[in-house]
Amino acid sequence: EVQLVESGGGLVQPGGSLRLSCAASGFTVSSNYMSWVRQAPGKGLEWVSVIYSGGSTYYADSVKGRFTISRDNSKNTLYLQMNSLRAEDTAVYYCARVGRQLGYFDYWGQGTLVTVSS
Amino acid sequence: AIRMTQSPSSFSASTGDRVTITCRASQGISSYLAWYQQKPGKAPKLLIYAASTLQSGVPSRFSGSGSGTDFTLTISCLQSEDFATYYCQQYYSYPPLTFGGGTKVEIK
Repeated sequence: EVQLVESGGGLVQPGGSLRLSCAASGFTVSSNYMSWVRQAPGKGLEWVSVIYSGGSTYYADSVKGRFTISRDNSKNTLYLQMNSLRAEDTAVYYCARVGRQLGYFDYWGQGTLVTVSS
Repeated sequence: AIRMTQSPSSFSASTGDRVTITCRASQGISSYLAWYQQKPGKAPKLLIYAASTLQSGVPSRFSGSGSGTDFTLTISCLQSEDFATYYCQQYYSYPPLTFGGGTKVEIK
């Protein structure tokens, strides 16, 4: 059974850093495209970043230069390192598997809340 | 970036109704469109991909159609568990992957 479990969210001050983790089971992270999607309180879904099976990474303009997506193949875990956090980064962050490496998301984690506030 | 526009943003319906949600892309995306259902406090759930292919386990009362720029999600006979927010998403050209603003289906 495919499962994604995020962790690492919490309250952080503006300008601070946080690292989110997404532990996967039931499939191999490194063989798939994996992504982070976020949802600000009461708002819609916003794609954040993707890492391809080959290791290429891409980011939304809103986080480029501040966030870094990575994976640990030995732990079958996806990460999102978030630096220089802003109030507008406050959101629930979901990790998601990209289905058939096409671009839609076939499995999602339960989400982890990141709150950026002083 | 390709912009996705959903309509309506919300509406009320009754159990048993046939409902249709529309999604329009700012440029042609062939059939590279997915639909998701999200309930409060839960992660989105994939319903349909490739505009009309039902994800495994999704009830057959859900269907999708369209290609190019105009797409629809139809629920043939609304059930109580279908009251939720629905999102479309294009994957024709990325990055960035882009979602519609969502359509909330509420109980009349």
